[in-house]
Parts: sequence; C-alpha cells; structure tokens
Amino acid sequence: EAGVVQSPRYKIIEKKQPVAFWCNPISGHNTLYWYLQNLGQGPELLIRYENEEAVDDSQLPKDRFSAERLKGVDSTLKIQPAELGDSAVYLCASSLAADTQYFGPGTRLTVL
Amino acid sequence: SQQGEEDPQALSIQEGENATMNCSYKTSINNLQWYRQNSGRGLVHLILIRSNEREKHSGRLRVTLDTSKKSSSLLITASRAADTASYFCATVSGKTSYDKVIFGPGTSLSVIP
Repeated sequence: EAGVVQSPRYKIIEKKQPVAFWCNPISGHNTLYWYLQNLGQGPELLIRYENEEAVDDSQLPKDRFSAERLKGVDSTLKIQPAELGDSAVYLCASSLAADTQYFGPGTRLTVL
Repeated sequence: SQQGEEDPQALSIQEGENATMNCSYKTSINNLQWYRQNSGRGLVHLILIRSNEREKHSGRLRVTLDTSKKSSSLLITASRAADTASYFCATVSGKTSYDKVIFGPGTSLSVIP
C-alpha cells in the first residue's frame, strides 16, 4: 500500500512569491490534515478535511494561505504571498478516523 | 494553547539502556498517541492509548496513562541506535463529531552506540 505522497520535497522561493504544495493521501482515507512544523517543534494543525469539507481551519492564516481538496482525495495548500516567517516543513497526513494518522515526508520550504 | 508537553526536551542514553519520556496535558482527552520522527522524515505512529486504558505494550514500547494526573509516559526498553529520533505525544480530545488533535513539542532522543 502506498503511503502519503507529498510534492515537492523541497522548495526555495523569494519572499512575496506564491508557492503550492500537493498531497495525495492513502487510498480510502477520508480525513486529511495539513500541518506546519518549525525546527525543534511539534506539528501545528493548519487545516483538517473530512472528505471535501474543511472542518477545522481555525489556525490557517486565511489572508495568505488557502487550501482545497477536490473530490475528497488530493489536496493543495497554497501560500500567496510567502513571507520569511513561512519557512518551515509542511506536513500532510491522512487517516480513516482521528485515531492513527499517516504522515507524508513533508515539504521543506525556504523563503529568502 | 498547547495541550501536550513532553519532558525532557532532550535525552541522551547509551545503547541498551531504557529511555523514558513523559507527556503532560491540560484538559480531558479521548485518547493519547505517541509518534516518532526521524530527522528529515514524516511522523510515524507508534501506539495509541485510550482514556479508559492505563497501560499498553508494543514490542519494546510501553505506554502508561494516568488521567488523574493528566500525564502519560513512553518507555523504550533496551534502546538501540536506530531509536534515535524525536518523539511526540498527541492528545485527541473533544465531544463533537470532529476530535481535536494537538501535538506536543517533542523529546529528542539520542542513543549512543
């Protein structure tokens, strides 16, 4: 069984540029999460989907961040425009329920 | 506010020794999970313990939960160099259809060969 796939693995951009991350969850997992992880810290939830519905986006900075999950499968997280403080690892995870989450390898974003 | 707090922040032990990490939380939970993260990788689920359970085992891992003290511990017995990683607790709480999952800041474990 394939795991959670994320792309790209690494991204370097200049500030004020847009950037997008893509996630393909494990087949059949209806719950999808996007997390932000700073160095030496635990993951912080940005948004959680149940199928196509965003059920928790309270921590998503909506002025510059947006996300979508078309057809309840793949998801894209976008930042526009990126700021220096957005440099972090962006993790995607999926699950069948809130019990066990399966994480992708993450996308390491560097904003110069 | 952060729900889970791991202790210690960093731990260095010799191979073969036991490693104990603690997690404290503030509000009532449905379950508590432990994850491992190797450098540059995503998190891997280790074990889940429900609020009505007190202890669970999985291989060399032993997790305890004390809901009266709002704390959990993860014990890794007979540690190996490959156990070197960061370990996170995640609390799952809430009474609505969608539980809230919050990760702690993690414990960085170094196992010296």
